Amino acid sequence: DTGVSQDPRHKITKRGQNVTFRCDPISEHNRLYWYRQTLGQGPEFLTYFQNEAQLEKSRLLSDRFSAERPKGSFSTLEIQRTEQGDSAMYLCASRHTGSSYEQYFGPGTRLTVT
Amino acid sequence: QQQVKQSPQSLIVQKGGISIINCAYENTAFDYFPWYQQFPGKGPALLIAIRPDVSEKKEGRFTISFNKSAKQFSLHIMDSQPGDSATYFCAASRMDSSYKLIFGSGTRLLVRP
Repeated sequence: DTGVSQDPRHKITKRGQNVTFRCDPISEHNRLYWYRQTLGQGPEFLTYFQNEAQLEKSRLLSDRFSAERPKGSFSTLEIQRTEQGDSAMYLCASRHTGSSYEQYFGPGTRLTVT
Repeated sequence: QQQVKQSPQSLIVQKGGISIINCAYENTAFDYFPWYQQFPGKGPALLIAIRPDVSEKKEGRFTISFNKSAKQFSLHIMDSQPGDSATYFCAASRMDSSYKLIFGSGTRLLVRP
């Protein structure tokens, strides 16, 4: 059973550097979501894709953030000029609109900006 | 503005006891209410979910109670076990749009042996 995978699992970077995370959803899941979770809080919605189309972006997604899903399969989330406030767990989830309501989450990428 | 309020922030229960976590929502357009369990270093995993056309749903030791008029729902964990020790999140979603999940702030549950 191949669930949602994310890479890397941990990333430590210095302030001002760019980072990119990858999410591989469950095969044939057409919707892919990105969330951000800070310590002691629930996940917060960032953006989502229907196939390769990015349909909604949260106000949390500043101009330094960009997400892509070029072929409707895996997705990348890039953060440019990282700030200490970007330190968080970045979670990816996927679902199939034709089957269930459930969103399946990956293990997340823990970002630490020093 | 927080749209889903969750309480308590933390909960300690003895093994075999009942754990109860409460959530309240504001947006009456929400029509899907899942509960997620998260262990340290892991992503959230769906436990159980309910839609507002029913007042209760039970799966094994987990039960959701839903009060549409009060805009509240709760998770009951019967016969709580040490392995249930985790952080629990309620969430809400509108099923006619993005299905994005709005999460509560979480409850850290500790079940003592």
